[in-house]
Parts: sequence; C-alpha cells; structure tokens
Amino acid sequence: GAGVSQSPSNKVTEKGKDVELRCDPISGHTALYWYRQSLGQGLEFLIYFQGNSAPDKSGLPSDRFSAERTGGSVSTLTIQRTQQEDSAVYLCASSWRTSSSYNEQFFGPGTRLTVL
Amino acid sequence: QKEVEQNSGPLSVPEGAIASLNCTYSDRGSQSFFWYRQYSGKSPELIMFIYSNGDKEDGRFTAQLNKASQYVSLLIRDSQPSDSATYLCAVGERNTGFQKLVFGTGTRLLVSP
Repeated sequence: GAGVSQSPSNKVTEKGKDVELRCDPISGHTALYWYRQSLGQGLEFLIYFQGNSAPDKSGLPSDRFSAERTGGSVSTLTIQRTQQEDSAVYLCASSWRTSSSYNEQFFGPGTRLTVL
Repeated sequence: QKEVEQNSGPLSVPEGAIASLNCTYSDRGSQSFFWYRQYSGKSPELIMFIYSNGDKEDGRFTAQLNKASQYVSLLIRDSQPSDSATYLCAVGERNTGFQKLVFGTGTRLLVSP
C-alpha cells in the first residue's frame, strides 16, 4: 500500500514568510509524528498526535511552530515568520499500534525547507 | 548522559564482512528498540525492531538486545556496498507509554568493495 507522503518535497522561502508543510500518513495509522533533521544532525522530535487525544507539543522549538491534524488523518505543520535557523528537513512519521512497546514508525520522504 | 548513544563512526568494513553497530540507552525500563537505515539525502527506513532479550534475525540482519546491560546492537552479515548508510538506533520512551521514540545520532557505515 501507499506509504507516508509529504508535500512539498522542497520549499524555498524568504525570511519572515509563513510556510505550511503537509503530511498524509499511512491509511489506518492512528499516530502521527513530526521531526526535524538539520544537516548532519540527528532527529529532533517536534510534535505527536495520537487519535483524538490532545497532541504532545513538547518538542516545538518556539511559538512560531504549530501543527494540526484534521479528521485524524492529514496533518499540517505551520511555521510562521520563518528564520534561517528553521532550514532543515522536516520529516513526518506514522504508526498504527497504540499499545505499549509496539510503535514501529514509518517515515515519509520529508520536506526540505530552505529559508533565505 | 545522552538517552541513546551511538558511535558516530564512520565504521569501515570490507565487502563480505560482518558489520557490528552498537547502541546503549539510559532508561533501564525501556522495552522497545528499533534500527533505522538512512541513506544520504533520504528519510529513515525501519529495518529491525526488537522487544525481548536475545537475538532476532531477518535475512542478513540480526538485532541483539541485552536489557541488563542496556545495550542493543545490529549485525549485518555479508556486508555489501549498498549497506553504506547511517544507522539510527531508537528507543521507546517509557514515560510516554513508549509512544515516542528517542533517537541516537546514528553510526555511519562504509562498506568498501
């Protein structure tokens, strides 16, 4: 079946502009995660959605970052007033098992964001 | 102390050899462990997961878990140049009911022909 999809694959924007990144998880997956990976760095957790529960926003670096998930499926990550340090690859992952210890996450191809 | 630690490498092995990638974690209560492979410019791909002590084999890959030593490893037998990538170790975070993963920074593997 189809994997996690993300759009756009690349986004170049000017400092101060707002951007929206989209993630479409694997059908049936209840959990959705956003990560950020800067060049040569590890994965930085941003936000996590699980079913209809309130999202875990503990990884969002500032209030310029927000995310929503509509209808328990597609998610949009919004970055307002982008800064050059926001340049990174933004990765989305989804998983379907909700019980403890079973959380195989599958990643989308990512969106490469460049802020000029 | 970082929660999940990996040697950044690079780990260089000749084609056909066994590559051994190691990962240590700090939370003794962790129960779920994952290995992801990430090619340069690509997103991470799940290749193995293990939940119980011991070995788990899948083709050329073997994951080994020792909870007492808080150690998880990935062995790649008959290494191929196409195995050259960064390998990320991830551990389920106990205080989130294991719903969040904590990632190591990865070990870069280079397999020479």
